[in-house]
Amino acid sequence: EPEVTQTPSHQVTQMGQEVILRCVPISNHLYFYWYRQILGQKVEFLVSFYNNEISEKSEIFDDQFSVERPDGSNFTLKIRSTKLEDSAMYFCASSTTSGTNTGELFFGEGSRLTVL
Amino acid sequence: RKEVEQDPGPFNVPEGATVAFNCTYSNSASQSFFWYRQDCRKEPKLLMSVYSSGNEDGRFTAQLNRASQYISLLIRDSKLSDSATYLCVVNSGGGADGLTFGKGTHLIIQP
Repeated sequence: EPEVTQTPSHQVTQMGQEVILRCVPISNHLYFYWYRQILGQKVEFLVSFYNNEISEKSEIFDDQFSVERPDGSNFTLKIRSTKLEDSAMYFCASSTTSGTNTGELFFGEGSRLTVL
Repeated sequence: RKEVEQDPGPFNVPEGATVAFNCTYSNSASQSFFWYRQDCRKEPKLLMSVYSSGNEDGRFTAQLNRASQYISLLIRDSKLSDSATYLCVVNSGGGADGLTFGKGTHLIIQP
């Protein structure tokens, strides 16, 4: 069964360092997303990406964050200068159509980011 | 982005019992509603969509009340494997792409 894969599964970094989280969405999917979940909190939307550009972003997704699809398969989330409060599980998701309508987002297993 | 509220629980329920959760949402423009399931330290997975007329999938029944802006999930004949956190999810309305998740209701099925 096709799945969304994410690397690394866990990354520990020092405050102020840059981090890149990688995702390989399901191959025939067109919509890509990043969500995050701080431990014990709800899953929060960060950004959606379609047709090689951001289609929507939340207030969490400030100038420290960026997304890229550099090679047609990988979908990356970069955090330029990490803060303690960026510590969370970051989930990548993809869907065939806009998740708004179908609700069926396929999530990866997540990348746990710990900022010290 | 508007809120989705759920009773966090935990709901401790004996195996075989019926359990129901509710969820309220604040954005009246929301058009699509879903229940996701999240196991401990795992990714969310779609359990079922919620349709205006209500819908059933095996032991699971979902209902939508647009007037009161709440959604319910009923689980019949609960199994040990139903133990998980159940996330109420709505779209944001206005053509937005992202989904808004509730914090989840934690269900523990006891043998």
